[in-house]
Amino acid sequence: SQTIHQWPATLVQPVGSPLSLECTVEGTSNPNLYWYRQAAGRGLQLLFYSVGIGQISSEVPQNLSASRPQDRQFILSSKKLLLSDSGFYLCAWSVAEIGFFGPGTRLTVL
Amino acid sequence: GENVEQHPSTLSVQEGDSAVIKCTYSDSASNYFPWYKQELGKRPQLIIDIRSNVGEKKDQRIAVTLNKTAKHFSLHITETQPEDSAVYFCAARYYGQNFVFGPGTRLSVLP
Repeated sequence: SQTIHQWPATLVQPVGSPLSLECTVEGTSNPNLYWYRQAAGRGLQLLFYSVGIGQISSEVPQNLSASRPQDRQFILSSKKLLLSDSGFYLCAWSVAEIGFFGPGTRLTVL
Repeated sequence: GENVEQHPSTLSVQEGDSAVIKCTYSDSASNYFPWYKQELGKRPQLIIDIRSNVGEKKDQRIAVTLNKTAKHFSLHITETQPEDSAVYFCAARYYGQNFVFGPGTRLSVLP
């Protein structure tokens, strides 16, 4: 069966520091991969999605970037974090119609 | 592009009563409509979905109905229980495109 991993589970970073969040999927090939951010008490904001290795589409221009170095690996990065980057970061994958979320990374920027 | 609206934003019901959450979508090409439940601090979990060639789908206490003509779909929860308390998100998707989520409904089931 398919599983999705994210790490770290929680992260506290100072403003201006870099960020790297990783997501890997097991048990499927060529999934669509997504990064969402959820601010406290808010909805799901799509940040990036990828339909294949090296193919990244950005939904929201900001100081974040994404990369897909392998079929089942999706990385979210930032060179300099802002206070507004705090939130719950969710990686998701889909094959055909159905989508599933990873366990998430809770990021606090101080 | 697709736009999904969701109502109400908050909903309180007494335990044992029914709850209904409604979503409308704008793109008539959308053909897949999932519902996700998110408990506090956890990931959204898929609870039920419906495809555009089906009008209704049921799974125990939850059901989803779809009206393609009016472009709206609804989640129905019967005999609500405290563990149904969560935020519920609807979404619409055309095959191969991104999921477009509604803003969410916070359901509280009061004992």
